[in-house]
Amino acid sequence: SQQGEEDPQALSIQEGENATMNCSYKTSINNLQWYRQNSGRGLVHLILIRSNEREKHSGRLRVTLDTSKKSSSLLITASRAADTASYFCATTIGGNNRLAFGKGNQVVVIP
Amino acid sequence: DTGVSQNPRHKITKRGQNVTFRCDPISEHNRLYWYRQTLGQGPEFLTYFQNEAQLEKSRLLSDRFSAERPKGSFSTLEIQRTEQGDSAMYLCASSQSGVGYEQYFGPGTRLTVT
Repeated sequence: SQQGEEDPQALSIQEGENATMNCSYKTSINNLQWYRQNSGRGLVHLILIRSNEREKHSGRLRVTLDTSKKSSSLLITASRAADTASYFCATTIGGNNRLAFGKGNQVVVIP
Repeated sequence: DTGVSQNPRHKITKRGQNVTFRCDPISEHNRLYWYRQTLGQGPEFLTYFQNEAQLEKSRLLSDRFSAERPKGSFSTLEIQRTEQGDSAMYLCASSQSGVGYEQYFGPGTRLTVT
């Protein structure tokens, strides 16, 4: 079953704007990861945030994690056309590190 | 490091036929995962290996599905007596052991069952 659920499902923005996506999950987690998927490069890992972290940055990406609300957000600043993709959050539970993905956000950045 | 590779990239088969997919993980990764993704959904976990041992299988993995990783390197996923509902993208990923290591995904094998 899907662990994470992203909101909103589809987002269309102008190049240069910021894009924010949210993800909620149901059970306690070890960590939460965000992945990007497009037809050209497949599924690519973006950032991992551990359950004891609240915020993490990587380049133009900012991820927050609120374990009390079981939710996370991904912010992409100064978006580019190349950011057009589907974005998935995925949680890991237990030692096997298997990923439980949400349904994904489709982001379209208009040049 | 050439990344995770999967073959074939596309497979079209008739219902009832058997198919086999191959995954070659990153060489130093001892964990290998299989996921299935249908249109508009996120990937769903199928099974994973630690070296050659298959340590967990999802309930999604019916008796028609079997996966192997005989020497702890490449892995194969076989589907017997394919059904139209098996049509999906089959993704392979590898990682180092332990909690918190990212998984590196291959490009996937897209299966279409007619």
